[in-house]
Amino acid sequence: AQSVAQPEDQVNVAEGNPLTVKCTYSVSGNPYLFWYVQYPNRGLQFLLKYITGDNLVKGSYGFEAEFNKSQTSFHLKKPSALVSDSALYFCAVRALNTGFQKLVFGTGTRLLVSP
Amino acid sequence: DVKVTQSSRYLVKRTGEKVFLECVQDMDHENMFWYRQDPGLGLRLIYFSYDVKMKEKGDIPEGYSVSREKKERFSLILESASTNQTSMYLCASKSWRTPGELFFGEGSRLTVL
Repeated sequence: AQSVAQPEDQVNVAEGNPLTVKCTYSVSGNPYLFWYVQYPNRGLQFLLKYITGDNLVKGSYGFEAEFNKSQTSFHLKKPSALVSDSALYFCAVRALNTGFQKLVFGTGTRLLVSP
Repeated sequence: DVKVTQSSRYLVKRTGEKVFLECVQDMDHENMFWYRQDPGLGLRLIYFSYDVKMKEKGDIPEGYSVSREKKERFSLILESASTNQTSMYLCASKSWRTPGELFFGEGSRLTVL
């Protein structure tokens, strides 16, 4: 079965410092991987995805993610954190279910960026 | 601007009541989903629909049913609400052309007393 793990419930970082939010995956076949962000009292928003090609994927709001096949990881990164980046981040992997694609989400990592 | 609209942001119901959660999307998407979100458990898929009048069980369908009579509308029904169904419910839609790119509504927070 396909799954993702987000090993950290919370990540704390100071504004201006680089940030990393970790994700590892388990999937049979080629992985399709995604990051979503949830701001307080809002639904989730798509950030970026890896389907194929370049291992470094760029997305919205200056975020990027690095696909590492040997480590089965897809960590979310940003060179310089902003206070406004504080939110809940979800990693997701595509799963196949009777031929239909659905997403399996991780448990989420709360990012707190302090001024 | 694309939009997924959930009819109620906050609901309070009593045990045993029938509950309807409505979701409408204006993007002509074929696929629609209902998730529930609970702290420490992330998002769990309840039901999804890949087209009108089609529905498939997700990972936690027990106690829920769905209806999709029109392409833009996907309803989640709790036939007899229970306290363990207190949760945040998220509706999402996507086009079959863009794998994994879900558009979410803002959520419906349901409290069952």
